[in-house]
Amino acid sequence: GQQLNQSPQSMFIQEGEDVSMNCTSSSIFNTWLWYKQEPGEGPVLLIALYKAGELTSNGRLTAQFGITRKDSFLNISASIPSDVGIYFCAGRGTGGYQKVTFGTGTKLQVIP
Amino acid sequence: NAGVTQTPKFRILKIGQSMTLQCTQDMNHNYMYWYRQDPGMGLKLIYYSVGAGITDKGEVPNGYNVSRSTTEDFPLRLELAAPSQTSVYFCASRHGDREANGYTFGSGTRLTVV
Repeated sequence: GQQLNQSPQSMFIQEGEDVSMNCTSSSIFNTWLWYKQEPGEGPVLLIALYKAGELTSNGRLTAQFGITRKDSFLNISASIPSDVGIYFCAGRGTGGYQKVTFGTGTKLQVIP
Repeated sequence: NAGVTQTPKFRILKIGQSMTLQCTQDMNHNYMYWYRQDPGMGLKLIYYSVGAGITDKGEVPNGYNVSRSTTEDFPLRLELAAPSQTSVYFCASRHGDREANGYTFGSGTRLTVV
């Protein structure tokens, strides 16, 4: 089956710093999604990407759909304490529109 | 508040027991999903439904059953609980088939099988 590798697994950063995380796939994806999950809650969609090379922003968050269609990146600028959580990438490949594969998550902790 | 409601929030089961995880949404979403999340792992799709009366298997359906008799409700049934089913279960719904519509997730059910 399709595999999604997300890195880093966890990171501690100082408030105000920028953050980068990425996701790579063993196969091509047609759609990339980025979610954030806070403790005790379900994931919440941050950004959806549909085309190779696409760059999309949502406030301080920017995500890119890699040109090879096998990777995606999420950047958070000027981090704040409420950015704490687990960030998941997810992708939809060629297995039908219901088959969305989730990455293992990047746990972000922000030090005030 | 509108959204996806899951009950119970926590449950401990003995091996071989059965239970139903309840999921209700009041947004009139046609698509509904059940995922499980194991520690340090991403979400894995168990079952999904594209509308009342229609269900289909996801990636890890073994040991589970679902039904969708109404648009609002999508219960997940465990017939013979096993330790491998210890996990956090999330129900989600979505309006239409565009990912940009976004899944709305419930807050999860933490299940432990001992």
